[in-house]
Amino acid sequence: GNSVTQMEGPVTLSEEAFLTINCTYTATGYPSLFWYVQYPGEGLQLLLKATKADDKGSNKGFEATYRKETTSFHLEKGSVQVSDSAVYFCALGDNYGQNFVFGPGTRLSVLP
Amino acid sequence: GAGVSQSPSNKVTEKGKDVELRCDPISGHTALYWYRQSLGQGLEFLIYFQGNSAPDKSGLPSDRFSAERTGGSVSTLTIQRTQQEDSAVYLCASSLDVRVQQYFGPGTRLTVT
Repeated sequence: GNSVTQMEGPVTLSEEAFLTINCTYTATGYPSLFWYVQYPGEGLQLLLKATKADDKGSNKGFEATYRKETTSFHLEKGSVQVSDSAVYFCALGDNYGQNFVFGPGTRLSVLP
Repeated sequence: GAGVSQSPSNKVTEKGKDVELRCDPISGHTALYWYRQSLGQGLEFLIYFQGNSAPDKSGLPSDRFSAERTGGSVSTLTIQRTQQEDSAVYLCASSLDVRVQQYFGPGTRLTVT
């Protein structure tokens, strides 16, 4: 079945540091890939997505590239801010809406 | 426009009681999902509805859990004979189509005492 593996947290960085949160997946077919973010006390919201190989999703300074050859969708940001402190979930959705799988989440804390 | 709404926002119940959690998806969204987020855990898929098709119940953890979606809109997740391990935040999401963005509700925090 489909699965998503995400780097273990928590991750603690200083403001303006470079962020990478690794995500790899296992899937049949050609899934869509997503990063969701959950800020403290709030619901989940989509951060970015990519629907086919080599697509790059970007939003709020975050980027992730759909790499079929390495089955990865790593999240990156060049300079994190305190306001980026949240839990980040990598997710995969197949063509049929079934097996929509989330990773375990990575908690990011950014210190001033 | 209105987003996904869920009710109640918080529910405290005694072990062994039944609970019903409600989700109102965004109007026009054909896909509806239920997830569970336990403390310190990631999201766990529970059940998925797509239009009039039979729901995908593969994620339901036991036969105490059931869900229905009436008229292709509102959905109710029912947990019978609740156990303490059922304590979690139950999230509902809806989307226009299976491959596009899911919009999440605020969740229902269930505490079983």
